[in-house]
Amino acid sequence: GAVVSQHPSRVICKSGTSVKIECRSLDFQATTMFWYRQFPKQSLMLMATSNEGSKATYEQGVEKDKFLINHASLTLSTLTVTSAHPEDSSFYICSAGQTSGGVQFFGPGTRLTVL
Amino acid sequence: DQQVKQNSPSLSVQEGRISILNCDYTNSMFDYFLWYKKYPAEGPTFLISISSIKDKNEDGRFTVFLNKSAKHLSLHIVPSQPGDSAVYFCAASDEGGAQKLVFGQGTRLTINP
Repeated sequence: GAVVSQHPSRVICKSGTSVKIECRSLDFQATTMFWYRQFPKQSLMLMATSNEGSKATYEQGVEKDKFLINHASLTLSTLTVTSAHPEDSSFYICSAGQTSGGVQFFGPGTRLTVL
Repeated sequence: DQQVKQNSPSLSVQEGRISILNCDYTNSMFDYFLWYKKYPAEGPTFLISISSIKDKNEDGRFTVFLNKSAKHLSLHIVPSQPGDSAVYFCAASDEGGAQKLVFGQGTRLTINP
């Protein structure tokens, strides 16, 4: 399957700081990438759909001014958690889809801990 | 509203036997279904998928069955191996899977030696 990478894999930050997470599709071009978050023992919740060259589409209840998404190229999407607070601590996962085959491939995830 | 449901949070199976994981959905517009396997602190790994035009898809030890009238799908793993121990998520899409997925809550599968 296709390879998706995320960086960093783990980040600890102080409350009030901003954190940027990168998601890259390594061996294919992805016009669409997705950002999810997962709380302990819960399912993956879609936060937003990242579209190359256009604005992201956010799911209901997700603050677009807090979770800034930029899809600068066909292989890179970034999620910036602005003014992070302890309640933002979670596991953030990105995915990228290939239109042929219809499967989304996931990155390894980023564990964010806000102190 | 939980559109995709996995009602069994956990399942234990003896090594070598068949593991059957179940998933129900409510949205009749879903036309593409996928199963992912996930280890702690890792991203999900794609296992197998099925389009709504089919009722069965097989790949090695993994077979997915789809019953559209019941809005139910299941994943069969046979024979089960210790390395299959993980959390399994079913997911559904109404746009061929290239668009957003709706995930179930997951089922933790434990294969006992």
